[in-house]
Amino acid sequence: DARVTQTPRDKVTEMGQEVTMRCQPILGHNTVFWYRQTMMQGLELLAYFRNRAPLDDSGMPKDRFSAEMPDATLATLKIQPSEPRDSAVYFCASQGPGELFFGEGSRLTVL
Amino acid sequence: RKEVEQDPGPFNVPEGATVAFNCTYSNSASQSFFWYRQDCRKEPKLLMSVYSSGNEDGRFTAQLNRASQYISLLIRDSKLSDSATYLCVVTLQGAQKLVFGQGTRLTINP
Repeated sequence: DARVTQTPRDKVTEMGQEVTMRCQPILGHNTVFWYRQTMMQGLELLAYFRNRAPLDDSGMPKDRFSAEMPDATLATLKIQPSEPRDSAVYFCASQGPGELFFGEGSRLTVL
Repeated sequence: RKEVEQDPGPFNVPEGATVAFNCTYSNSASQSFFWYRQDCRKEPKLLMSVYSSGNEDGRFTAQLNRASQYISLLIRDSKLSDSATYLCVVTLQGAQKLVFGQGTRLTINP
């Protein structure tokens, strides 16, 4: 049963710490998205990649966020330094021909 | 103006009722449209695509109005299990960039 896998599922950290979230897309899917979801803003697109190349990261605060795909099986989203306003659920999604599949999300709490 | 806008609700309707949501989009070049469903503390999952001619899947009907730039979702004979948040999705940039609305929360009451 192919699925998108995200780690960690839950992360509590203190302001100023570095946070790295990882995503394993479905094998064969060549487009990978990072979204952030909060009650106030809903699902916001942070960045997306096609064939591992970044296509659009305009939704991401550049000074502290970075997204990469070091290989086809791994996408990472890094926040350094983290701030309380970064608290949210971060979803990774991969897309093959058609439907977008989401991972279960990484719930981040920055104290 | 947000690229995709939805009434956040909440909508509270009795079981068996018919309920409809609309979603408006700002970019007339938008190419593809979808409805996703998200249960509490879960990830979004595809409910149905929205085709220009409209489409139906059981109790669910989706329609697209390109002239007025909105899509709609109609749920007939609603069930308790339909309680969820319904997210409207629009694709931009050559169908590569998927933008979500904020979602409409629906609660079906017994």
